[in-house]
Amino acid sequence: QKEVEQNSGPLSVPEGAIASLNCTYSDRGSQSFFWYRQYSGKSPELIMSIYSNGDKEDGRFTAQLNKASQYVSLLIRDSQPSDSATYLCAVEAGGTSYGKLTFGQGTILTVHP
Amino acid sequence: DTGVSQDPRHKITKRGQNVTFRCDPISEHNRLYWYRQTLGQGPEFLTYFQNEAQLEKSRLLSDRFSAERPKGSFSTLEIQRTEQGDSAMYLCARSGGLNEQFFGPGTRLTVL
Repeated sequence: QKEVEQNSGPLSVPEGAIASLNCTYSDRGSQSFFWYRQYSGKSPELIMSIYSNGDKEDGRFTAQLNKASQYVSLLIRDSQPSDSATYLCAVEAGGTSYGKLTFGQGTILTVHP
Repeated sequence: DTGVSQDPRHKITKRGQNVTFRCDPISEHNRLYWYRQTLGQGPEFLTYFQNEAQLEKSRLLSDRFSAERPKGSFSTLEIQRTEQGDSAMYLCARSGGLNEQFFGPGTRLTVL
């Protein structure tokens, strides 16, 4: 069983729509959760961090966390073609592996005009 | 700019050769991490340093891999006797506030 699992893609949405990306994790000790965006051939770029249950909004991005369900999501409102990328969910390991991130396999998002 | 540079950006080598990658955070950050990413997968943790101390190593880091961070500033990752399975993007990340990690541009290794 994968430690961090993301919804299978690719995900295709029209410009202006809401894109919804989902992630589940297995480590109940995890306290820090991150979303990275990765363009083809580039390194991952941190776009959202979330640490407590609920929603966190930053511009067009909203991260949602539910620790009881071990679930974290990212909503992208008013999607733009420039949002087309691979989105990676990352979970910080709890306990003695403090600082280590475990990544999901990524979800490819395509926003078409 | 994430404040992390990596060198080289691309490396092509023949199987059996040794390679060394360098990571330079723009200033001395407490923690520095190495990850490896293969095509279609998320990055996988290799190792991390707190200052000059290497505190954790992944099982992925075989005996052919070694990492150092002398003086707690830049870090090097060396792969000895490279194999085709070592072909990947090698990513270095620095720590930020609230356990965030910021990646450098990566070094893409191709082993022929």
